[in-house]
Amino acid sequence: DVKVTQSSRYLVKRTGEKVFLECVQDMDHENMFWYRQDPGLGLRLIYFSYDVKMKEKGDIPEGYSVSREKKERFSLILESASTNQTSMYLCASSLLAGPPFEQYFGPGTRLTVT
Amino acid sequence: ELKVEQNPLFLSMQEGKNYTIYCNYSTTSDRLYWYRQDPGKSLESLFVLLSNGAVKQEGRLMASLDTKARLSTLHITAAVHDLSATYFCAVDGGSNYKLTFGKGTLLTVNP
Repeated sequence: DVKVTQSSRYLVKRTGEKVFLECVQDMDHENMFWYRQDPGLGLRLIYFSYDVKMKEKGDIPEGYSVSREKKERFSLILESASTNQTSMYLCASSLLAGPPFEQYFGPGTRLTVT
Repeated sequence: ELKVEQNPLFLSMQEGKNYTIYCNYSTTSDRLYWYRQDPGKSLESLFVLLSNGAVKQEGRLMASLDTKARLSTLHITAAVHDLSATYFCAVDGGSNYKLTFGKGTLLTVNP
């Protein structure tokens, strides 16, 4: 079974803090994704990566950066957390070779910025 | 820009009834994905539809794809409470591996 894990299920941070969200997958997938999910807005893509050290902006990259130093690990960084970044963050991975491009999701991190 | 629209966004139904969730999308694509999300949990893959006319069934759920109409349906037969969840459809645009998701349909099955 594909397994995608995220470092924290719940996280509370203060405004202005630097926040790291970690995602690890164990299926040798090339593609990894970070989404945020907000009520009424669905899933919105923040960043994705198709290879080590490669990254591309998604639909809402402002205020975020990412790092992919190893194939299995994809980190989302909030350089200076703000209250409007309070959200559920979901990591996903998929194979580069497709179709299909089915994505497998981690359990999510619910981040609260106070 | 690829757009994916689901309707209804909210669906309250009684146990034992049938209903259909619709997923329309704006670009030519042969591939559509259905996911389920339980409250407070992550997304779980339900169906992957890879060609026009594809139909897949699991239990009380059946998904189909009409690429000419750019429409997928998720049909629920004789609903039970355990089906209460949010259902998402997603489409890949064909040129890369990104998925574009609909806003989700919150299904509540009442006894």
